[in-house]
Amino acid sequence: EVQLVESGGGLVQPGGSLRLSCAASGFTFSSYEMNWVRQAPGKGLEWVSYISSSGSTIYYADSVKGRFTISRDNAKNSLYLQMNSLRAEDTAVYYCARGNRRGGFDYWGQGTLVTVSS
Amino acid sequence: SYELTQPLSVSVALGQTARITCGGNNIGSKNVHWYQQKPGQAPVLVIYRDSNRPSGIPERFSGSNSGNTATLTISRAQAGDEADYYCQVWDSSLVRFGGGTKLTVL
Repeated sequence: EVQLVESGGGLVQPGGSLRLSCAASGFTFSSYEMNWVRQAPGKGLEWVSYISSSGSTIYYADSVKGRFTISRDNAKNSLYLQMNSLRAEDTAVYYCARGNRRGGFDYWGQGTLVTVSS
Repeated sequence: SYELTQPLSVSVALGQTARITCGGNNIGSKNVHWYQQKPGQAPVLVIYRDSNRPSGIPERFSGSNSGNTATLTISRAQAGDEADYYCQVWDSSLVRFGGGTKLTVL
């Protein structure tokens, strides 16, 4: 059974940093492209970042470029999102999701809440 | 930037057919994916690449894509289909989601 489990969310002050993790199981993690998607309270879905299966190709939404860094450790079956210079508008549930442009995002984690507030 | 336009809400009578649209410039040239999200839950992929259903998704869910409009069709709507629905495309190296449509089953 495919499982994606996010962790690392919490309350952080504006300007602070946080690192999210996503532990994958039930599939060959190193063969799949991965993404982070977020959802602000009461709002729609917003894609954050993409990373190829090897980690060699990375994309970011304009709203996070220069502040967030996506990475992966295929030996640990884990996906990460390093978030720096956090702003109030980064407050959201952050989901990791497996997938690509052809097949869509076929599996999602349960999400982890990030709250940026003083 | 590439924008996707969805109606805020769609209502359908129990057992009837609901159609949720996703508008975008020449969207027919892109792969469109659709997600269902129920309150407090993660999104679920219900249609990928315009018209394909993942395993476990009922045949009642179908999709089409042509010109400037992609459409998610839900036949024989059930109470359990009440949810928010989002369309998604890739625009070059960026992913775009539509604003979402709240489906109400009356």
